[in-house]
Amino acid sequence: DTAVSQTPKYLVTQMGNDKSIKCEQNLGHDTMYWYKQDSKKFLKIMFSYNNKELIINETVPNRFSPKSPDKAHLNLHINSLELGDSAVYFCASSQEASGTNNEQFFGPGTRLTVL
Amino acid sequence: GNSVTQMEGPVTLSEEAFLTINCTYTATGYPSLFWYVQYPGEGLQLLLKATKADDKGSNKGFEATYRKETTSFHLEKGSVQVSDSAVYFCALSGMDSNYQLIWGAGTKLIIKP
Repeated sequence: DTAVSQTPKYLVTQMGNDKSIKCEQNLGHDTMYWYKQDSKKFLKIMFSYNNKELIINETVPNRFSPKSPDKAHLNLHINSLELGDSAVYFCASSQEASGTNNEQFFGPGTRLTVL
Repeated sequence: GNSVTQMEGPVTLSEEAFLTINCTYTATGYPSLFWYVQYPGEGLQLLLKATKADDKGSNKGFEATYRKETTSFHLEKGSVQVSDSAVYFCALSGMDSNYQLIWGAGTKLIIKP
C-alpha cells in the first residue's frame, strides 16, 4: 500500500504550458505539503495545507497554485511553465502541522522538465 | 530564527568505513531533531529522530545524539555499506518556526566497494 502517491512520476513539457501534479495520501493525516528540490538536492517548502486550509505559502510565483479538494489530496497546478521550474517536486504529509508529532511522509517525487 | 547547518558533500567512503555527517542547529528552547534519508530516485524517509536533550535516535545501524551543549545532532554509523549511498538531510522542528520542519541542505554520501 502506497502511503503518499504522486502522479505523474515524470513530466516533460514545453515552456509556456500549464500542467498539474496530483498527490494523494492514505495515512489519514491532517497536513500536506509541496516541496521543490533543485539539482543540488536543496529542499524548499512551497505550500502546506492543514485540513484543506492553506497554512504556509512561501515566496513562490503565483503561477503555482495548490488545490486541496479534500484532506487526502493536494494537487499542484503550474501556469505558464518556465525553464527554471525544472526540478523534482515532492508531496508530503504529516499527522499534525505543529507540535512534536509532525514526522513527514514523502511521495516518490515528480521530475518536471521544461524544454 | 531556526536554522540547520550540515557538512557539505559529497562524502566519499569505502565500504566498512566509519561515517560521521555533522549537523548543527540554531533554535530557541528544545527543538525536536531529525535525520531523513533520500535514496536515489526516491522521496525522503525518516531515518531517526530525538525529541529531547541527550536522547539518542537509532535505526539501521545509524545513530545520532541530541547534544544541547553543542547544539549538534551528528549522524554516525560504525560500518557503512554500498547500500547506504544516499542524500542525508538533518532537520529540526521547534517553537520558533511554529514546529514546521526546518531543513539542512543535505549531504550526499557515496560508498565505494
